[in-house]
Amino acid sequence: AQKVTQAQTEISVVEKEDVTLDCVYETRDTTYYLFWYKQPPSGELVFLIRRNSFDEQNEISGRYSWNFQKSTSSFNFTITASQVVDSAVYFCALSEANYGGATNKLIFGTGTLLAVQP
Amino acid sequence: EAQVTQNPRYLITVTGKKLTVTCSQNMNHEYMSWYRQDPGLGLRQIYYSMNVEVTDKGDVPEGYKVSRKEKRNFPLILESPSPNQTSLYFCASSFREGPSGELFFGEGSRLTVL
Repeated sequence: AQKVTQAQTEISVVEKEDVTLDCVYETRDTTYYLFWYKQPPSGELVFLIRRNSFDEQNEISGRYSWNFQKSTSSFNFTITASQVVDSAVYFCALSEANYGGATNKLIFGTGTLLAVQP
Repeated sequence: EAQVTQNPRYLITVTGKKLTVTCSQNMNHEYMSWYRQDPGLGLRQIYYSMNVEVTDKGDVPEGYKVSRKEKRNFPLILESPSPNQTSLYFCASSFREGPSGELFFGEGSRLTVL
């Protein structure tokens, strides 16, 4: 069955520390997409990244980087030199090509609350 | 500006009083859906629509109705709200079928049912 697990419910770091948010997924599909979204205190969902199952290259965008490993079914997210503005809930999500059909449905993890202290 | 607009953003209501949360997108997206977000559960899909007059249930459809009479609008209807429908609701849309399309989310509607 498809599932996304974010085992870290809350993480607290001090500004400038690096922090990694874990995401482990389960899927029956060979073609799927993985996403990260940020939800700041204001409540909206901000799209961060989409990665398809055939592209295992790690990606870096400024202070953000993502490590996709199919062998461990993980798609971890690292923030380097964290800042107070990074404080938010972060969601990992999965979308399947075949078993999800054409529904475009995202299966979300339960989220990780990141608190960056000044 | 490309956007998904939800209204109301905040609402407090009482059990049994019918309400509608509107959702409108200006990107000509075929696909639209509704999610609810609850603590410890993440976001779960309520209903989705592949195009006008085509809707289907998601994972948690009980107590909700939807309609898709126009491409841009996808209202969520709570015929007889109950306290367990207190939640944060998100509308989302995308261009194409399948998971390759990025979902665009509205800003959320926080509903409290007393």
